Amino acid sequence: GAGVSQSPSNKVTEKGKDVELRCDPISGHTALYWYRQRLGQGLEFLIYFQGNSAPDKSGLPSDRFSAERTGESVSTLTIQRTQQEDSAVYLCASSLLIGANVLTFGAGSRLTVL
Amino acid sequence: GESVGLHLPTLSVQEGDNSIINCAYSNSASDYFIWYKQESGKGPQFIIDIRSNMDKRQGQRVTVLLNKTVKHLSLQIAATQPGDSAVYFCAVNWGDRDDKIIFGKGTRLHILP
Repeated sequence: GAGVSQSPSNKVTEKGKDVELRCDPISGHTALYWYRQRLGQGLEFLIYFQGNSAPDKSGLPSDRFSAERTGESVSTLTIQRTQQEDSAVYLCASSLLIGANVLTFGAGSRLTVL
Repeated sequence: GESVGLHLPTLSVQEGDNSIINCAYSNSASDYFIWYKQESGKGPQFIIDIRSNMDKRQGQRVTVLLNKTVKHLSLQIAATQPGDSAVYFCAVNWGDRDDKIIFGKGTRLHILP
């Protein structure tokens, strides 16, 4: 597609449930990034992929968070046993090459944990 | 670790005036400094970047200034328009030392009619 697509755009879940957030990057972009943005806050780095590999997982807040990427394309961010503090907008971005300054972001997936 | 901070969380500017958004950084080892704009309900969008060995770079209606002596970065928007209303983030790219971009907390720019 022409841009980065994320789904679902909105997700409301109950505490303790698992959620999966999906990102479709721009075709041909080798780098893919996940960030978290709490209400009124900046972007918190979670993880990035170079191809299908994740060299840096240092931003994942806990072992309840995991992510994978397949076919150097779609990525899924999974949050297990969700907590209220997981409520945020989860943003995905892609770039042609790793380390680029220009990231193309999707509109984000807004997660609300009740 | 790195921190990229902003002096003011909200900036109100009269339409037509120039806007100046400021950012302070702590780590001088950054390769690039970057500005992103985030409109309501959207993901951030790249505006302009500046390499650490430069002092000034101009784009369309925007200018970024880098003062390495005081570790200060600013984004100037000329003739501010209603469409400039957004949250502006400064960010750093450490180049080969790290492959991720670190974002600051953001400044909300509010345009007064």
